[in-house]
Amino acid sequence: SQTIHQWPATLVQPVGSPLSLECTVEGTSNPNLYWYRQAAGRGLQLLFYSVGIGQISSEVPQNLSASRPQDRQFILSSKKLLLSDSGFYLCAWSPALTGNIQYFGAGTRLSVL
Amino acid sequence: TQLLEQSPQFLSIQEGENLTVYCNSSSVFSSLQWYRQEPGEGPVLLVTVVTGGEVKKLKRLTFQFGDARKDSSLHITAAQPGDTGLYLCAAPEGGGSNYKLTFGKGTLLTVNP
Repeated sequence: SQTIHQWPATLVQPVGSPLSLECTVEGTSNPNLYWYRQAAGRGLQLLFYSVGIGQISSEVPQNLSASRPQDRQFILSSKKLLLSDSGFYLCAWSPALTGNIQYFGAGTRLSVL
Repeated sequence: TQLLEQSPQFLSIQEGENLTVYCNSSSVFSSLQWYRQEPGEGPVLLVTVVTGGEVKKLKRLTFQFGDARKDSSLHITAAQPGDTGLYLCAAPEGGGSNYKLTFGKGTLLTVNP
């Protein structure tokens, strides 16, 4: 069966510090991968998605970037965090060729102070 | 971008009551998903509906897809505290994209014992 791992679960970082959140998927090949941000337990904002190694699509221009160095690894990064980067970050995967069912990780609660 | 409007935004009820939440759009969708998200966790897929007029049951939860495939409802019978969570509907974004979902902002349900 497929599983998705996302870490860390919580993170407190000072303004201006770098960020690296990692997500890995097991039990499937060539998944579509996604990073979302969720504000105050409400709707999901798609930040980045990837349909293959090295292929990243950015949905919202902001202080973040994403990379996919391996087939089942997706990384969300920032060089310098802003207060506004605080939030709940979710990684998700979907089977190749379709994104109409997505499976989510447990999320990372990021607090930028 | 297609919009999914969910109502009500918040719902607080007593254990044993019945409830219905709605997901509406002016767009036609090929399918629609319902997710439930518990606090501090990622959304978990409950059901996918594909055919207009389709009704699916998951224990005490009944999901219906509108005949025109523009809307959906989730009915919970005899709600329990374990039903507490954020209920999100989602649909493929369309426009030639098979990789992205549009999410509603969710209905936050609280079931009080």
